[in-house]
Amino acid sequence: KNEVEQSPQNLTAQEGEFITINCSYSVGISALHWLQQHPGGGIVSLFMLSSGKKKHGRLIATINIQEKHSSLHITASHPRDSAVYICAVEVAGANSKLTFGKGITLSVRP
Amino acid sequence: NAGVMQNPRHLVRRRGQEARLRCSPMKGHSHVYWYRQLPEEGLKFMVYLQKENIIDESGMPKERFSAEFPKEGPSILRIQQVVRGDSAAYFCASSLLAAHEQFFGPGTRLTVL
Repeated sequence: KNEVEQSPQNLTAQEGEFITINCSYSVGISALHWLQQHPGGGIVSLFMLSSGKKKHGRLIATINIQEKHSSLHITASHPRDSAVYICAVEVAGANSKLTFGKGITLSVRP
Repeated sequence: NAGVMQNPRHLVRRRGQEARLRCSPMKGHSHVYWYRQLPEEGLKFMVYLQKENIIDESGMPKERFSAEFPKEGPSILRIQQVVRGDSAAYFCASSLLAAHEQFFGPGTRLTVL
């Protein structure tokens, strides 16, 4: 079993919809990261969080440490949000290296 | 402030050749991480370096792979005697301090013929 699981694997939405992407992990962590990888391959860090909730523009990330679960929400989705969204964790006591989920491919249709 | 730079962006090698991938971290960042993304697979940690020191190399294959981050200059990931299975995208990330946000470079796409 992977230490980081993401669901759903693929997601298609209509422009304007509210989107939720989930991430569950099975280990103790010191932080969780949400990353975005565009079709060209580049990776952008969206959030790093260890508790609570963070918001940046139309993106909101939440984490529940007790339940070992995080969600990434996209409000008013747009075709340019189409990308792979990757959840990664820093395992507690394991330096700062990241352990990644497989990513979710999001397609937002106009 | 320039972001993380990687070069080359694309590298083609024949089996048995050496591949050298370079990563220049963001200005002021002394922590560098190398990750590999095999085709149709997720990202995997390879090695974590801090200036002149290897902190964690638990993700590095035991043979043919090495990494360094000298006092001056970029971090280098070196793959000797490449094989087709080494074909992948290699990403480097840097952070200001340990356990801080990591900023990713554009990646080097290695193709082994």
